[in-house]
Amino acid sequence: DAKTTQPNSMESNEEEPVHLPCNHSTISGTDYIHWYRQLPSQGPEYVIHGLTSNVNNRMASLAIAEDRKSSTLILHRATLRDAAVYYCTSQGAQKLVFGQGTRLTINP
Amino acid sequence: DSGVTQTPKHLITATGQRVTLRCSPRSGDLSVYWYQQSLDQGLQFLIQYYNGEERAKGNILERFSAQQFPDLHSELNLSSLELGDSALYFCASSPRGNKNTEAFFGQGTRLTVV
Repeated sequence: DAKTTQPNSMESNEEEPVHLPCNHSTISGTDYIHWYRQLPSQGPEYVIHGLTSNVNNRMASLAIAEDRKSSTLILHRATLRDAAVYYCTSQGAQKLVFGQGTRLTINP
Repeated sequence: DSGVTQTPKHLITATGQRVTLRCSPRSGDLSVYWYQQSLDQGLQFLIQYYNGEERAKGNILERFSAQQFPDLHSELNLSSLELGDSALYFCASSPRGNKNTEAFFGQGTRLTVV
């Protein structure tokens, strides 16, 4: 399984864009990059996933580097409800393995 | 609401005991994952089942076992419990359990071993 590296914490202001980086330099060519988030006292929640090209959904955008060694989760306009731990994972084989994640704080 | 149901929500038991955690996946999902989350270890993958068969194994202790039944619900059995087994246990399900599908997590079972 590819190891992912994320900053331990990040802080942003409400209504501003947030860019959450992830390094996955050992990812294999067929592994998908998944992002989940975990709000306090809740189970992880799927955010977005992709393989090579950038992806958009109602929650966020995922920008994947051309060499696939890194990706960035983009929250276009952060709200207080986006405060959570964000996990970048690489889905290899049948496992979904989580790293330590980034704790995102949103300031009002 | 993810559609994944875990019971019980809370469980308090003594060391040396055995407990069973239950997970009902989303309707139609064939794959079930189990995770353990403790304060110092983060989210640890334990095991995955697909349509009744074990598909992948993580750092699951020998004292722990799981199975997925024909109706696709799953149970995680924890025996000879130790204080260090106190944690949140999450179940997740996905339609096919492959790389290109998202997983949906339940709200977890909080296990406290005293």
